Amino acid sequence: RKEVEQDPGPFNVPEGATVAFNCTYSNSASQSFFWYRQDCRKEPKLLMSVYSSGNEDGRFTAQLNRASQYISLLIRDSKLSDSATYLCVVNDVVHSGYALNFGKGTSLLVTP
Amino acid sequence: DADVTQTPRNRITKTGKRIMLECSQTKGHDRMYWYRQDPGLGLRLIYYSFDVKDINKGEISDGYSVSRQAQAKFSLSLESAIPNQTALYFCATSDFSDNQPQHFGDGTRLSIL
Repeated sequence: RKEVEQDPGPFNVPEGATVAFNCTYSNSASQSFFWYRQDCRKEPKLLMSVYSSGNEDGRFTAQLNRASQYISLLIRDSKLSDSATYLCVVNDVVHSGYALNFGKGTSLLVTP
Repeated sequence: DADVTQTPRNRITKTGKRIMLECSQTKGHDRMYWYRQDPGLGLRLIYYSFDVKDINKGEISDGYSVSRQAQAKFSLSLESAIPNQTALYFCATSDFSDNQPQHFGDGTRLSIL
């Protein structure tokens, strides 16, 4: 099985800080990339898709580097409510199409 | 109402019992998935189904079986539960295209004593 690797953290940052997470993937044939957010004991929720040209959604910026096979997530002006686990997700080839391959997650704690 | 509904939300049972976890969705998606999540191991795919007539094993299918009763329903069974199947189980759905994200149910917390 192809791997998706993330630094598990935890990342402890003060409110207002900028924090960046990186993720590497091993399947060069992967075509779709996402960041999910998961709160403790809750379901993963889609944060944003990651596009080749990079994309931004408010305080969140995602970048994709296909040549180096890594994905990044930048969070600016961190809020207490950003505390969660962030999952890097890459699609993988399975026998009848593609399925998503989830990293183990990076834990973020934003402190007052 | 949730788009992806899992029942039960919590279950405690004994070793050797047969257990069924159910998942239903109102999103109209063709693809459905079952995952388990354990601390430190992340989400691991148990089974997936790309349409009603399609069932595929994921990376950890041993000890589990599934049934896709309709486009909207995908159930997971543990024929004879064992303690190391204690975990948080998630059902997810996605649209038919290969490049679509998945949408998760609230999860079922299962404990096998």
